[in-house]
Amino acid sequence: NAGVTQTPKFRILKIGQSMTLQCTQDMNHNYMYWYRQDPGMGLKLIYYSVGAGITDKGEVPNGYNVSRSTTEDFPLRLELAAPSQTSVYFCASGRLAGYTDTQYFGPGTRLTVL
Amino acid sequence: QQQVKQSPQSLIVQKGGISIINCAYENTAFDYFPWYQQFPGKGPALLIAIRPDVSEKKEGRFTISFNKSAKQFSLHIMDSQPGDSATYFCAARPRGTYKYIFGTGTRLKVLA
Repeated sequence: NAGVTQTPKFRILKIGQSMTLQCTQDMNHNYMYWYRQDPGMGLKLIYYSVGAGITDKGEVPNGYNVSRSTTEDFPLRLELAAPSQTSVYFCASGRLAGYTDTQYFGPGTRLTVL
Repeated sequence: QQQVKQSPQSLIVQKGGISIINCAYENTAFDYFPWYQQFPGKGPALLIAIRPDVSEKKEGRFTISFNKSAKQFSLHIMDSQPGDSATYFCAARPRGTYKYIFGTGTRLKVLA
């Protein structure tokens, strides 16, 4: 299993540009998540999904959109990129299992908006 | 807003020493407390986790201590090794949800 894969690994955007961060998992997990990680701020949840066709906002959803058309894929869309969106983005997936929950994280996408 | 406060922000420990990272939460409606380990350039990975009806859980050199009345939990790394140098995040899951609140992270450096 490849686990959780993310593309691209790095990207530089100009202010106002748009892009989609791709995330794919091959573990047949129902739950998928997008986080952003800023220095000293930990991981902030942007959006999450509990299954195909079902998405919901996390703590910091403004400026982002998601879709979940399949179990495997959970792309994150940035519209009108702003410098405040400069961050490292992590996708994660998991299968809720009570007290044995585990989220599996991808390797991350480092995004710079100039 | 539910929060998890993590300290210290950074920690330097000699090889063989004990590393201790603390987290505190403000809301009692959490039902699961995992710790994640992140190496540079990688995504976080689950290290160890505890449920609130257990006061301590040990896996190898890693131990979580949980104090429900104080709303605190901590990670202890015994016999710390240079390979343990990483960033550690505590997290808490609000009861009845599918998502986690993460602490701000602790950057641990173990000196050889």
